[in-house]
Amino acid sequence: QSALTQPASVSGSPGQSITISCTGTSSDVGAYNYVSWYQQHPGKAPKLMIYDVSDRPSGVSNRFSGSKSGNTASLTISGLQAEDEADYYCSSYTGSSSLYVFGTGTKVTVL
Amino acid sequence: QVTLRESGPALVKPTQTLTLTCTFSGFSLSTSEMCVSWIRQPPGKALEWLARIDWDDDKYYSTSLETRLTISKDTSENQVVLTMTNMDPVDTATYYCARTYCGGGTSRFDPWGQGTLVIVSS
Repeated sequence: QSALTQPASVSGSPGQSITISCTGTSSDVGAYNYVSWYQQHPGKAPKLMIYDVSDRPSGVSNRFSGSKSGNTASLTISGLQAEDEADYYCSSYTGSSSLYVFGTGTKVTVL
Repeated sequence: QVTLRESGPALVKPTQTLTLTCTFSGFSLSTSEMCVSWIRQPPGKALEWLARIDWDDDKYYSTSLETRLTISKDTSENQVVLTMTNMDPVDTATYYCARTYCGGGTSRFDPWGQGTLVIVSS
C-alpha cells in the first residue's frame, strides 16, 4: 500500500486560508469516507483534527474543515493563525489487509 | 478522560525483539467497535500504521511487516502489547499507540499516546 500523496509544504499569511491536498487511489481515499487529518507540532504526538472526511471533533476550531472529491481529500484552514504552524498528515482506511495508509505529510508555515 | 501511554526499551540491538506496552485508561477494549492501533514515525519522516487489535480480539497487521509483528491485549489490565522481531536500525522510530474507532460507520485514531522513541543500534 503506497503512502497518500501530500504537498511537502504549504504557507500562508495570518488570516489567509490554505488548503492541503491528499491524493490516494480508488482503493483507499476514493473507496471510503474514512479520511482523517492529524496535526503534529514538533516533538508532540499527532492530534485528530478532522475525521470521516469532514467531521470535526469537539474542541477543534471550526477554522478547520475537510472535503473529498474522487481520490483526493482536502484540509482547509481558514483564518490562518501562528499556532496552526505544524505538520499535517492525512490517513485513509483501505479495506485491505493493511487497514490504513497515511499521507506523506505537509509542513504548514505561517509567514 | 482517555489517556494512553507507551512504555518499553529506549535502545535495542539489531536482531533483538522489541516489546512495547500501551497502557490506557478512560475506555475499555471489551466495548464493541473499540480498537487500539500501533503507529510509528522514523525521525523526520511520515507516520506508518503497524497493527490493530479489536475488542473481539481480531488482529490486523501492515502487510510489509506482518511476519515480524505480534499484537495482543490484556483487557483486565487495560494494556496492549506489540512485539517486533529481528529489529534493524531502519526500525528506529517513535512508536505511538492510539485508540481506534473501528466500526459503527466511523474510523479514526483518537487520542494518541505521547510516543516512545526506540533506537536500534549496536
